[in-house]
Amino acid sequence: ETGVTQTPRHLVMGMTNKKSLKCEQHLGHNAMYWYKQSAKKPLELMFVYNFKEQTENNSVPSRFSPECPNSSHLFLHLHTLQPEDSALYLCASSQDRPDLYGYTFGSGTRLTVV
Amino acid sequence: GDSVTQMEGPVTLSEEAFLTINCTYTATGYPSLFWYVQYPGEGLQLLLKATKADDKGSNKGFEATYRKETTSFHLEKGSVQVSDSAVYFCALSVAFGNEKLTFGTGTRLTIIP
Repeated sequence: ETGVTQTPRHLVMGMTNKKSLKCEQHLGHNAMYWYKQSAKKPLELMFVYNFKEQTENNSVPSRFSPECPNSSHLFLHLHTLQPEDSALYLCASSQDRPDLYGYTFGSGTRLTVV
Repeated sequence: GDSVTQMEGPVTLSEEAFLTINCTYTATGYPSLFWYVQYPGEGLQLLLKATKADDKGSNKGFEATYRKETTSFHLEKGSVQVSDSAVYFCALSVAFGNEKLTFGTGTRLTIIP
């Protein structure tokens, strides 16, 4: 199932740039998530949105700013990033009962900060 | 809190070998259990799941049985192929808890011809 689309697939940005990652799902899910996946580290949950409302922010630096205008779209706005922010950023979505259905993930955006 | 422990990788096997990737969990309620697979350059895909004790999840030749007595959900496949090379994540979600998925650290599997 490829119901979650992330763009761009790859992004290279300088530390002074501003860019945005986009995630879109048309599965009728009401929850959306941003994860960071770095080499040799566990998956890090960054933000959770339920019905467009942010319900979790796991101490993420303010240089990452999420936006969820509706239940189908999720953005991650990036500014003044650091090289250690280079990672694969994964978006996921779920229905009301993730314990029954799990999450559906996008293919990710590979971010490189130079 | 809820947690998942997976066997450390990387795991390297020859084609047609038997695969086991161990997963154990701790949970405050009654979890559902999942295995996700991540192929190179891709996101995570749901491989199989089990929502109650003694359930067996299966897909693409992979199987895992929810063992409440040993709090385990080990992933097995009888004969692996080169195309099974990927990273495998065990995860749990507790109903009527915070319901988020809690993931293990992942196990990298490489199959050599």
